Amino acid sequence: GESVGLHLPTLSVQEGDNSIINCAYSNSASDYFIWYKQESGKGPQFIIDIRSNMDKRQGQRVTVLLNKTVKHLSLQIAATQPGDSAVYFCAETSPYGQNFVFGPGTRLSVLP
Amino acid sequence: ETGVTQSPTHLIKTRGQQVTLRCSSQSGHNTVSWYQQALGQGPQFIFQYYREEENGRGNFPPRFSGLQFPNYSSELNVNALELDDSALYLCASSLKLDSDSSYEQYFGPGTRLTVT
Repeated sequence: GESVGLHLPTLSVQEGDNSIINCAYSNSASDYFIWYKQESGKGPQFIIDIRSNMDKRQGQRVTVLLNKTVKHLSLQIAATQPGDSAVYFCAETSPYGQNFVFGPGTRLSVLP
Repeated sequence: ETGVTQSPTHLIKTRGQQVTLRCSSQSGHNTVSWYQQALGQGPQFIFQYYREEENGRGNFPPRFSGLQFPNYSSELNVNALELDDSALYLCASSLKLDSDSSYEQYFGPGTRLTVT
């Protein structure tokens, strides 16, 4: 079936560097995408979203890029901090948003 | 904090038993979705409730059922528990409008269910 996947299961970055987490999706009908951050023992935390009629959206220290041509989504975190260490999930949904499909997650480790 | 609460936090059950998990949605939200998250994996969609009715279901057997109440809170019921049901159960609330999709989902902290 349709699924969302991630290129890199783990990512280690130096504190202060920028992080890029990638995600590939397979459902061309998906029109809305969310990035979530999940810390140990907690539920996923909404970071940023993007609709399919956009190719870039910026938040506070985060940017999401969407390339519909190659069905690729990325999350950029500027000036990565220790508090950014967590598992990051991308999720997609098709119109009328009943079913969000999550990828397996990427663990981001921030090195001092 | 999202304002979505879940209870209980942890639960241990025996295979074959039944369990009920509860979720209170964020103020102003009318839709609740339930997810199962196995250790080391992403959340898997179980079902969604909107206007007190099931509004979409993932690939889960009928022994997974739910309810939504007039105040938009929700319950997840699992009958005949199996060992593989051990997981973190997450609920997410959102606002769905008739003329638009809801989209932004905010998750609660989850209920950790262990089946022995």
